[in-house]
Amino acid sequence: GENVEQHPSTLSVQEGDSAVIKCTYSDSASNYFPWYKQELGKGPQLIIDIRSNVGEKKDQRIAVTLNKTAKHFSLHITETQPEDSAVYFCAASWTGTASKLTFGTGTRLQVTL
Amino acid sequence: NAGVTQTPKFQVLKTGQSMTLQCAQDMNHNSMYWYRQDPGMGLRLIYYSASEGTTDKGEVPNGYNVSRLNKREFSLRLESAAPSQTSVYFCASSEIVWGGSYNSPLHFGNGTRLTVT
Repeated sequence: GENVEQHPSTLSVQEGDSAVIKCTYSDSASNYFPWYKQELGKGPQLIIDIRSNVGEKKDQRIAVTLNKTAKHFSLHITETQPEDSAVYFCAASWTGTASKLTFGTGTRLQVTL
Repeated sequence: NAGVTQTPKFQVLKTGQSMTLQCAQDMNHNSMYWYRQDPGMGLRLIYYSASEGTTDKGEVPNGYNVSRLNKREFSLRLESAAPSQTSVYFCASSEIVWGGSYNSPLHFGNGTRLTVT
């Protein structure tokens, strides 16, 4: 089955700096890569996703890049703000069904003033 | 529009006790899921229900049972709780487009924190 590794497990940046979280996956058939943000005491929430037919996708201050050859994808957050502090999860799936979604182990991002 | 609602928010059980975690969604989604979240292990799928009337095992089903009561409700039962089931449990729902390349995002509830002593 699919295996998703996520690094780093914790990340501390100063407000205004950029943050990068990286994930690698094992199944070359995976074609869907979402990122979820989990705030304290809440459930994860989708913030951005990318499919294998594109290499990069942006939404305001967040972007995701995908390198299918190397089987890795990354989340980039620019101009970080205190409200970006949360746990971020990457995931990968080779089908259209969420039941085949494999999650990474999470990155705790702390944005300091 | 509440989204996905889970009850209870917190629960403490003794080893061997049973309990049912409740989940309801008001988004008219076909598919519902139960995950557990443990430190350093991300989210792992316990059971899912692709549509009303069907349930299937996920990655870590042992020690759990589920019931898809109707389209809105999906419950998770622990028949004889064990300390290894201490975790945060999340219910989620999504809409599925069969046979297509569209992946519906998961909508999660706010979780149930369960401690088994």
